[in-house]
Amino acid sequence: QKEVEQDPGPLSVPEGAIVSLNCTYSNSAFQYFMWYRQYSRKGPELLMYTYSSGNKEDGRFTAQVDKSSKYISLFIRDSQPSDSATYLCAMNKAAGNKLTFGGGTRVLVKP
Amino acid sequence: SAVISQKPSRDICQRGTSLTIQCQVDSQVTMMFWYRQQPGQSLTLIATANQGSEATYESGFVIDKFPISRPNLTFSTLTVSNMSPEDSSIYLCSVVDRAYEQYFGPGTRLTVT
Repeated sequence: QKEVEQDPGPLSVPEGAIVSLNCTYSNSAFQYFMWYRQYSRKGPELLMYTYSSGNKEDGRFTAQVDKSSKYISLFIRDSQPSDSATYLCAMNKAAGNKLTFGGGTRVLVKP
Repeated sequence: SAVISQKPSRDICQRGTSLTIQCQVDSQVTMMFWYRQQPGQSLTLIATANQGSEATYESGFVIDKFPISRPNLTFSTLTVSNMSPEDSSIYLCSVVDRAYEQYFGPGTRLTVT
């Protein structure tokens, strides 16, 4: 069993819809959580970085962490075709330490 | 956020040869990592590049195959040695900034024939 599980998708939504992504993890030692967006043939781009249970909002993005359930989510409001990409969750046990990634979810936003 | 560049951006190499990938950061950083992303897969950590000492390798990766140098706080190299087609991947360096956020370079796309 992988330490971090993420549905590979693809997740297809119409433009303007809310995109809901999630990851589950098995190791309670993970304390810091990140979401990255990766376009084809590009490096991952950091979207959100959180370290406590609860919600964190940044523009159209909301990251949610539930450490008791070992479950994290990313919501994208008012989705645009430019949001079409692969979204990767990542986490580590100490700030600035090596990351463990989920497998990534491919998202398609259709105009 | 840190600005990271990698050279080369892509290369096609013959089996049995070696390729050295460079990672340059526009500011001094303490932590620097090298990851591999195989086709259609997620990222797997190869090693932590330590400044002034030997790199720390993850299980399944060895120094003879992936030697790493880190001569200062803004630069690192990863060499992929004695390449085989199974080494065809995207190789990415990452750095951690003062806010402990981790940023990635654009990647080096390697194809081994």
